[in-house]
Amino acid sequence: QSVLTQPPSVSAAPGQKVTISCSGSSSNIGNYVSWYQQLPGTAPKLLIYDNNKRPSGIPDRFSGSKSDTSATLGITGLQTGDEADYYCGTWDNSLSAGMFGGGTKLTVL
Amino acid sequence: EVQLVESGGGLVQPGGSLRLSCAASGFTISSYWMHWVRQAPGKGLVWVSRINGDGSSTNYADSVKGRFTISRDYAKNTLYMQMNSLRAEDTAVYYCARSVGRGVSFDYWGQGTLVTVSS
Repeated sequence: QSVLTQPPSVSAAPGQKVTISCSGSSSNIGNYVSWYQQLPGTAPKLLIYDNNKRPSGIPDRFSGSKSDTSATLGITGLQTGDEADYYCGTWDNSLSAGMFGGGTKLTVL
Repeated sequence: EVQLVESGGGLVQPGGSLRLSCAASGFTISSYWMHWVRQAPGKGLVWVSRINGDGSSTNYADSVKGRFTISRDYAKNTLYMQMNSLRAEDTAVYYCARSVGRGVSFDYWGQGTLVTVSS
């Protein structure tokens, strides 16, 4: 059971927009949140860091936002290549440990 | 080009030990926090441990505290994880990763090395 809660799955049609939520508490989401994409059989890839910053090479179709105890990953203009597992991550001050959400499987119908 | 290459995984019996290595190139590990993250087959990512740039600060997940030890060799630019008293639930792909930014964000990951704990 992850400290950070994500929906197990989301789906949308090509070209549409989808959002993935990551809920926690002030001790974890209160810190900077990052988002990762993991394609089958590969290492995770950083999509968003420091809540809403994109690394070089990540298209602006991917965006991140955060409120008090929840963070959100947005993906617009969905492509079949976006089908993957998505994870949020952060640091938990109370546990002094890194945390990941349980992951969300995105299906592009 | 930044690269992280893990090695040292394999099959080990319960109660046994294993040492994982993560050879870094394209950057100096002394300038970054370095982490280990694991993923059991078909499961999600789980943070395991981290070490700071000069090796003076480490943190561990409760599930491995007292059994795993993270360390680094600056001369070899390599990160290590010594894993003792291994259990079946430690079976996973182990990734090393570099963190950047103001939070704990992993911008580079290794390809992973599989550790299987089974009799």
